[in-house]
Amino acid sequence: EIVMTQSPATLSVSPGERATLSCTASQSVSSNYLAWYQQKPGQAPRLLIYSTSTRATGIPARFSGSGSGTEFTLTISSLQSEDFAVYYCQQYNHWPKLSFGGGTKVEIK
Amino acid sequence: QVQLVESGGGLVKPGGSLRLSCAASGFTFSDYYMSWVRQAPGKGLEWVGYIRSGGSAIYYADSVEGRFTISRDDAKNSLYLQMNSLRAEDSAVYYCVTFRGIMEYWGQGTLVTVSS
Repeated sequence: EIVMTQSPATLSVSPGERATLSCTASQSVSSNYLAWYQQKPGQAPRLLIYSTSTRATGIPARFSGSGSGTEFTLTISSLQSEDFAVYYCQQYNHWPKLSFGGGTKVEIK
Repeated sequence: QVQLVESGGGLVKPGGSLRLSCAASGFTFSDYYMSWVRQAPGKGLEWVGYIRSGGSAIYYADSVEGRFTISRDDAKNSLYLQMNSLRAEDSAVYYCVTFRGIMEYWGQGTLVTVSS
């Protein structure tokens, strides 16, 4: 089973600042098979990015993804109030078993 | 628009059973793989399992293998999760999700609480 580890667990950022979230896989993940999700309190998760760097429909350009192998990054270039949430990475390279990271909470500093 | 509506959650005793349903609309359900994902209170996301379009193959997380069964009825545009031998650690919000490797569309979830 691929273990996905996210860091930090909590990230305190001021509005307008840049946020960088990390996701590390225990085994190499093809860059075609890494996704990011956003979850706000009381809501279902929402797909943000897939294939490491492709934004899902309707996702603003301030969200970007990068990485390869075992190290992946989600960057939010200028945090807006609606971006404070929990973010999860997910690998779907090693079918049929899928796995999520433990999440990074982005909170207001 | 895509809509996924889960139902069937509730309070059940340890060792008991529960069947969750997910009603899908707004897309061609039979063409999609479908998945269940759960989230324990205050915790992260955990993949439970998925079923291929047509039901030709079904896969489960190790934590539920042998206890949970995923099925689908394409004529009713519905996905199901039969949960047996429930444990306290199965308490969670269960989400129905369209699945193409990525989890594209999510329902709002149904809460399952396993407690005596």
